[in-house]
Amino acid sequence: QAQLEQSGAEVKKPGASVKISCKASGYTFSIYYIHWVRQAPGQGLEWLGMVDPGGVSTTYAPNFQVRLNMTRDTSLSTVSLEMNSLTFEDTAVYYCARGRTYFPLDPWGQGTLVTVSS
Amino acid sequence: DIQMTQSPSTLPASVGDRVTITCRASQSISNWLAWYQQKPGKAPNLLIYKASNLQSGVPSRFSGSGSGTEFTLTISSLQPDDFASYYCQQYNSYPWTFGQGTKVEIK
Repeated sequence: QAQLEQSGAEVKKPGASVKISCKASGYTFSIYYIHWVRQAPGQGLEWLGMVDPGGVSTTYAPNFQVRLNMTRDTSLSTVSLEMNSLTFEDTAVYYCARGRTYFPLDPWGQGTLVTVSS
Repeated sequence: DIQMTQSPSTLPASVGDRVTITCRASQSISNWLAWYQQKPGKAPNLLIYKASNLQSGVPSRFSGSGSGTEFTLTISSLQPDDFASYYCQQYNSYPWTFGQGTKVEIK
């Protein structure tokens, strides 16, 4: 069945960048969107953005427009999320999740903890 | 952005209880609403899509209803495995947005 496997935990200093990856398996990668959602410790879910099936179009949440870059490598069935200018408030678990037109997020990756610490 | 407001934030309940969680959208989202369950340390799991459609593999004690701006998630008879947090999410328009969550806890 469809699965998303994310890269491991990261620890970064304030001002640094982080790049995390999400590898898909068990389905036709090239026809589904990939979304990213984060969850700060003890908090709710926050949608960050998505990349379309062809990797050509991205849509980001307005608050993250200038700091995010989502890319897609169809040959590797992998999507990457890069976030710049990290602050302590970016400490969170970052999830990738599969989407399609007029359908919500399913399944989700296992999550990647990003810790921003000096 | 469309704001999603869930209530209550915390819901004490007992096994066998009928449980209802409400989600309100700041503007009409037709029926483009999903419900997720999340357990501690785990990724969210899709329960309901398009407001009232049960995702494959989800027990039939879960049901969803509503359209426009008012939605509900109902668990007909709460089971021990159902103590978790629940989130609504609109996918009518970008940016997609979530409710703040409802934690169903043991009374």
